[in-house]
Amino acid sequence: QKEVEQNSGPLSVPEGAIASLNCTYSDRGSQSFFWYRQYSGKSPELIMSIYSNGDKEDGRFTAQLNKASQYVSLLIRDSQPSDSATYLCATAREKSSGDKLTFGTGTRLAVRP
Amino acid sequence: GAVVSQHPSRVICKSGTSVKIECRSLDFQATTMFWYRQFPKKSLMLMATSNEGSKATYEQGVEKDKFLINHASLTLSTLTVTSAHPEDSSFYICSARSRWRTGETQYFGPGTRLLVL
Repeated sequence: QKEVEQNSGPLSVPEGAIASLNCTYSDRGSQSFFWYRQYSGKSPELIMSIYSNGDKEDGRFTAQLNKASQYVSLLIRDSQPSDSATYLCATAREKSSGDKLTFGTGTRLAVRP
Repeated sequence: GAVVSQHPSRVICKSGTSVKIECRSLDFQATTMFWYRQFPKKSLMLMATSNEGSKATYEQGVEKDKFLINHASLTLSTLTVTSAHPEDSSFYICSARSRWRTGETQYFGPGTRLLVL
């Protein structure tokens, strides 16, 4: 069983729509949850972190965490073509991403102009 | 923001040769650096955790004698792929954790693409 699972996609949405990305994890000891964006051939870039149940908003991005269901999601509002990338969900056992991270395989998002 | 560099960005080598990849934190001291490997369309897999001045901690299934890691200073860690084979072809990414910032994120380098012929 994979520790962090994501639908590989591609998830295709029109420009301006809301993109919804989902992730489940199996390690109940996970304390920190992250969303990274990775463009093709590039390294990951942190876009959101969340540590407590509920929602966390940052600009067009909202992360949602439900520890009971072991579920993390990322909403991207007003999607832009430049958002087209692979989104990686990651977990850590410490309360920061300074700990070693366990990554999902990523969901590829394609935003159609 | 914190900057992490990797060198080289891309390397092609013959089977059986060794390749060294450098990871540098440019504007902060990193007591811990992580080395990841990513195969095409796969996720990042942690290979090892490198702590300055001590031996690296390897993840299960990663051969320590094949992937030599040295973290000789607070700003430099190196990964040497010894006797490389085509199956070692991958995207190698390092990340560094800041020494003085508690609860800080780790910063990723731009990655090194290795192709073994």
